[in-house]
Amino acid sequence: EAQVTQNPRYLITVTGKKLTVTCSQNMNHEYMSWYRQDPGLGLRQIYYSMNVEVTDKGDVPEGYKVSRKEKRNFPLILESPSPNQTSLYFCASRTPGLNTEAFFGQGTRLTVV
Amino acid sequence: AQSVAQPEDQVNVAEGNPLTVKCTYSVSGNPYLFWYVQYPNRGLQFLLKYITGDNLVKGSYGFEAEFNKSQTSFHLKKPSALVSDSALYFCAVRDINYGQNFVFGPGTRLSVLP
Repeated sequence: EAQVTQNPRYLITVTGKKLTVTCSQNMNHEYMSWYRQDPGLGLRQIYYSMNVEVTDKGDVPEGYKVSRKEKRNFPLILESPSPNQTSLYFCASRTPGLNTEAFFGQGTRLTVV
Repeated sequence: AQSVAQPEDQVNVAEGNPLTVKCTYSVSGNPYLFWYVQYPNRGLQFLLKYITGDNLVKGSYGFEAEFNKSQTSFHLKKPSALVSDSALYFCAVRDINYGQNFVFGPGTRLSVLP
């Protein structure tokens, strides 16, 4: 089954404790991205990757890091989480092109206390 | 700058009645428009898209959307709502001047009442 898998689904952590949210896709998609969803703001892109070893900032990259060492994986790293990073996070993948739809993971609900 | 507006935070409709979820957009080039749905505790699922051609686009679960270039709108519609359509709906746009990236609207929560 074609899917994007994120882990963990839920995470509560403390300020400053480094964490990683994993994302894996099995569709051989070149393009992957991370979004955060906040009420009334929709989805905002954090980082994206157009292929292995090619990453770039989205609209809200501050406080986040990513890497793309393999085509299928695109982890999101919070080196020193802060309470304003409490949010719902989504990973997505798709093939290149303006007309292609994205496939989304189930989401990771992160709470930073 | 690209932007998407969904003017209604919440839409309530009775089961069996037609529903409309509104979306307007602003882009500098030709728009590529998408609708996604998010059910509780789930990721976003693709419903339909407008790329070019026919202004009326049909998608999954009986949904359709009408592209109106003069009004810069892409409203989502369904002739007869189901309780199971209750969810959060997002409109999104891409255009060549903004690279490969989506711009999402803030979302509209649809409640279909039995």
